[in-house]
Amino acid sequence: KNEVEQSPQNLTAQEGEFITINCSYSVGISALHWLQQHPGGGIVSLFMLSSGKKKHGRLIATINIQEKHSSLHITASHPRDSAVYICAVRADSNYQLIWGAGTKLIIKP
Amino acid sequence: GAGVSQSPSNKVTEKGKDVELRCDPISGHTALYWYRQSLGQGLEFLIYFQGNSAPDKSGLPSDRFSAERTGGSVSTLTIQRTQQEDSAVYLCASSLNAGGSISPLHFGNGTRLTVT
Repeated sequence: KNEVEQSPQNLTAQEGEFITINCSYSVGISALHWLQQHPGGGIVSLFMLSSGKKKHGRLIATINIQEKHSSLHITASHPRDSAVYICAVRADSNYQLIWGAGTKLIIKP
Repeated sequence: GAGVSQSPSNKVTEKGKDVELRCDPISGHTALYWYRQSLGQGLEFLIYFQGNSAPDKSGLPSDRFSAERTGGSVSTLTIQRTQQEDSAVYLCASSLNAGGSISPLHFGNGTRLTVT
């Protein structure tokens, strides 16, 4: 079993839909990152969380430390949101990052 | 420049040759990571530098891979006697990580390595 599990692996939705991507992890962490990778390969850091909830524009990220679970939400989704969304946790035993496999999101117009 | 800079952006090399990939982190960032991403695969950790501490080399796939970070700033990833399976995008990221605080990651645009 991977230490970081993302679901779903693939998600196709219509423009305007509310999107949720989930990340569960099994190790103690000091921080969790949500990243976005576009088809061209560039990676952008969306959020870094250690507790609670963060919001940036149409993106919302939450984390429940007790349940070892985080969610990334996209409201009013748009085709330009199409990308791979990656969850990564920083283990509190060291500074190494453990990566989820990514969720490929396609938003259709 | 304000961001993490990697060079070259693309590198095509013949099997058996050595290559060097360069990463210029954001000034003042003490943590530097190298990852690679093979076609259709997720990100694979290679090596991590934190300040003056010994690097975490646990992700290097073979002894053909090595990395240095000079003066706590620029890093070079060297692949000796390249093989076709080394073809991938090599990504560098840095973060502040000062005084034990946790800070966001900043990624470079990557170097696309093709071994023919």
